[in-house]
Amino acid sequence: EDKVVQSPLSLVVHEGDTVTLNCSYEVTNFRSLLWYKQEKKAPTFLFMLTSSGIEKKSGRLSSILDKKELFSILNITATQTGDSAVYLCAVGVTGTASKLTFGTGTRLQVTL
Amino acid sequence: EPEVTQTPSHQVTQMGQEVILRCVPISNHLYFYWYRQILGQKVEFLVSFYNNEISEKSEIFDDQFSVERPDGSNFTLKIRSTKLEDSAMYFCASREMGAYNEQFFGPGTRLTVL
Repeated sequence: EDKVVQSPLSLVVHEGDTVTLNCSYEVTNFRSLLWYKQEKKAPTFLFMLTSSGIEKKSGRLSSILDKKELFSILNITATQTGDSAVYLCAVGVTGTASKLTFGTGTRLQVTL
Repeated sequence: EPEVTQTPSHQVTQMGQEVILRCVPISNHLYFYWYRQILGQKVEFLVSFYNNEISEKSEIFDDQFSVERPDGSNFTLKIRSTKLEDSAMYFCASREMGAYNEQFFGPGTRLTVL
């Protein structure tokens, strides 16, 4: 059974701090790893990492994929209160369906 | 920016009733999905749909569930006889051909079964 594990489960930081969120996975036929931000409802796409793109950066957010050790990290620098959300890691597999298997998420709270 | 839309945002129903959840995927997308998230739990895959047929379904997606693309824009999830444990947030997602697994999610329908 495919498995995605995220840590920590929750995190409280002060505005301006840097945070690192972790995601490890065990799946058959890995294709890609995706990070989503979930505030109130829908997961919002952040990054997709694949064999041909193991490092991504967008503003204060960056992510790397270690395909050998089967994990990914999501870094957020200079955190802001607007970064408060649940961050979801999901893994996609090869095949027509390409369903996503999600982790439980990391709840990040950024305080003033 | 194009987005996935879902209606209704909240549906309350009595146990045993049928419900239909509606989704309008992004217009040039060809792969469609339903996921659900029970309160406090992880997002779970239910079913994927491509070329007017189911590509894959999970163990959760039993005979009580069905999906349909009745026209060129809507994608629906029907639950025939709802149970209390069907209470969850249901997300529709879509992706375009060749976009690997970059799925875009709708805002969800919160289903409450009483």
